[in-house]
Amino acid sequence: EVQLVESGGGLVKPGGSLRLSCAASGFTFSSYSMNWVRQAPGKGLEWVSSISSSSSYIYYADSVKGRFTISRDNAKNSLYLQMNSLRAEDTAVYYCAREPSYYDSSGSYYYYYGMDVWGQGTTVTVSS
Amino acid sequence: EIVLTQSPGTLSLSPGERATLSCRASQSVSSSYLAWYQQKPGQAPRLLIYGASSRATGIPDRFSGSGSGTDFTLTISRLEPEDFAVYYCQQYGSSPLVTFGGGTKVEIK
Repeated sequence: EVQLVESGGGLVKPGGSLRLSCAASGFTFSSYSMNWVRQAPGKGLEWVSSISSSSSYIYYADSVKGRFTISRDNAKNSLYLQMNSLRAEDTAVYYCAREPSYYDSSGSYYYYYGMDVWGQGTTVTVSS
Repeated sequence: EIVLTQSPGTLSLSPGERATLSCRASQSVSSSYLAWYQQKPGQAPRLLIYGASSRATGIPDRFSGSGSGTDFTLTISRLEPEDFAVYYCQQYGSSPLVTFGGGTKVEIK
């Protein structure tokens, strides 16, 4: 069964740090780009960060740039999000999501297929 | 920065009715990079449509997507009880790399 399981959420004070993990199973993790997407209480979805299959390409939303770091360990089938300098507005459910997309052989066109597998989410609460 | 605006915010319909959800982009979006998701309370989002009009694996054919440029539409031909949920459009590729719309809630009338 294809599965993503997040962990590492919790209650942290403003200015603190947390490291989220996402364990993948049931598919070849090293072949997929991965994303973190968050959802504040009662709000919509907000993309946080993306990492390509080999970690060559990494992107962040402006709201987290310089504070969050995405990484992966393909040998451990795991995705991570290191969150530093946390703020109240970072309070959210954090989802990891698989992105089954790839460049063509020339490297000039990216075939995009959305985010097709999501974890159940882990809750991060930033409060004093 | 690209912004996706979804309308209406809430759609009140009865089972069996047709639902038409709109997603408008502030700049042109390649239809290859436009996706739709469904989210039910307490659950993770589920991919419905990618490439503006291609159904994801296992998605019933009552769900269809269309559009190009700045205007995209998700249509549910006949609402089933399990379709009442929040729907999000999403674009890939423009700055920022990924953007979600604010969502449309489809509720039972």
